[in-house]
Amino acid sequence: GENVEQHPSTLSVQEGDSAVIKCTYSDSASNYFPWYKQELGKRPQLIIDIRSNVGEKKDQRIAVTLNKTAKHFSLHITETQPEDSAVYFCAASKREYGNKLVFGAGTILRVKS
Amino acid sequence: AAGVIQSPRHLIKEKRETATLKCYPIPRHDTVYWYQQGPGQDPQFLISFYEKMQSDKGSIPDRFSAQQFSDYHSELNMSSLELGDSALYFCASSSGLEYEQYFGPGTRLTVT
Repeated sequence: GENVEQHPSTLSVQEGDSAVIKCTYSDSASNYFPWYKQELGKRPQLIIDIRSNVGEKKDQRIAVTLNKTAKHFSLHITETQPEDSAVYFCAASKREYGNKLVFGAGTILRVKS
Repeated sequence: AAGVIQSPRHLIKEKRETATLKCYPIPRHDTVYWYQQGPGQDPQFLISFYEKMQSDKGSIPDRFSAQQFSDYHSELNMSSLELGDSALYFCASSSGLEYEQYFGPGTRLTVT
């Protein structure tokens, strides 16, 4: 089955700097790669996603890139702000009815002001 | 916009008791997923339903069962509870072959 690895496990950046989180997946059949932000005790919130027919997607300060050949994808956050501090999870899935998300282990992002 | 609703939000049970968690998907969503998240861990997929039929199954213990009803809400039934079942249980919903899954606020289950 699918296995998703995520690095780094913790990341501290200064406010205004950029943050990059990287994930690799194992199942070449996976074709959907969302990123979730989760604050302590709260629900995972979908912040951006990318499908396998796209190499890059951007939404304001966040962007995601996908390299299908290498089976890895990355989250880029620019101009980080203290409210970006949270746990970020990458995930992989196939486009099938009811198909599960397989999550990476998560990255704790701390933005220091 | 309406979101996924879960009840109860908090639940405290003793070992060997049973628990029922409920999930009401976003209106017009026909697919429901259940995930279990332990402290400091990523969400682990348990089971999913599409149009009231089980569509995928993960690492769900035999002590757990779930179903999706005609109004698309879902219930996760947990029996013979163990201390290790203490976790956050999230329900997510999606629409048909749409990719995005939206999570509910979760039910925090504590087994003592």
